Amino acid sequence: GENVEQHPSTLSVQEGDSAVIKCTYSDSASNYFPWYKQELGKRPQLIIDIRSNVGEKKDQRIAVTLNKTAKHFSLHITETQPEDSAVYFCAASINQAGTALIFGKGTTLSVSS
Amino acid sequence: GAVVSQHPSWVICKSGTSVKIECRSLDFQATTMFWYRQFPKQSLMLMATSNEGSKATYEQGVEKDKFLINHASLTLSTLTVTSAHPEDSSFYICSAQLPTGGGAAGELFFGEGSRLTVL
Repeated sequence: GENVEQHPSTLSVQEGDSAVIKCTYSDSASNYFPWYKQELGKRPQLIIDIRSNVGEKKDQRIAVTLNKTAKHFSLHITETQPEDSAVYFCAASINQAGTALIFGKGTTLSVSS
Repeated sequence: GAVVSQHPSWVICKSGTSVKIECRSLDFQATTMFWYRQFPKQSLMLMATSNEGSKATYEQGVEKDKFLINHASLTLSTLTVTSAHPEDSSFYICSAQLPTGGGAAGELFFGEGSRLTVL
């Protein structure tokens, strides 16, 4: 089955800096890669996703890149703000009916002002 | 986006009792729902896949007789933790999947989560 590795487990940055979180996946059939932000005690919130037919996707300060050959995908947050502080999870799946997302272990991002 | 509602949001029970958690898709029909468990400071671990009208598929290491899943309709799946013990205390989150077809096909939408504390 799919296995998703995520690094780093914790990341501390100064406000305004960039943050990068990296994930690798094992199943070459996976074709859907979402990123979730989770605040304490809350449900995960989808912040951006990418499908295997594109290499990069951007939404304001957030971007995701995908390297299918290397089975890597990364989340980039620019101009970080204190409200970006949360736990971020990457996930992967074969985007078809009945297939669950498999999550990485999460990255705790702390943005200090 | 699609709305998934989960109830109760938190529950405290005594050891040995059973607890039922409901997951509803409010504005779409979900053929498939997934149940995840999240221990403090850990990731979401898939427990089981729930398909409407059929038996759930459990992940390795998840006791199907302890975690009973019922998906009797296209908008409701339930998770019952039977004979709960303190080690079952966790955050349980359901998710519902959009039907196939269309740009958003297969995306998961999460319920609010249910925090179970077993005394």
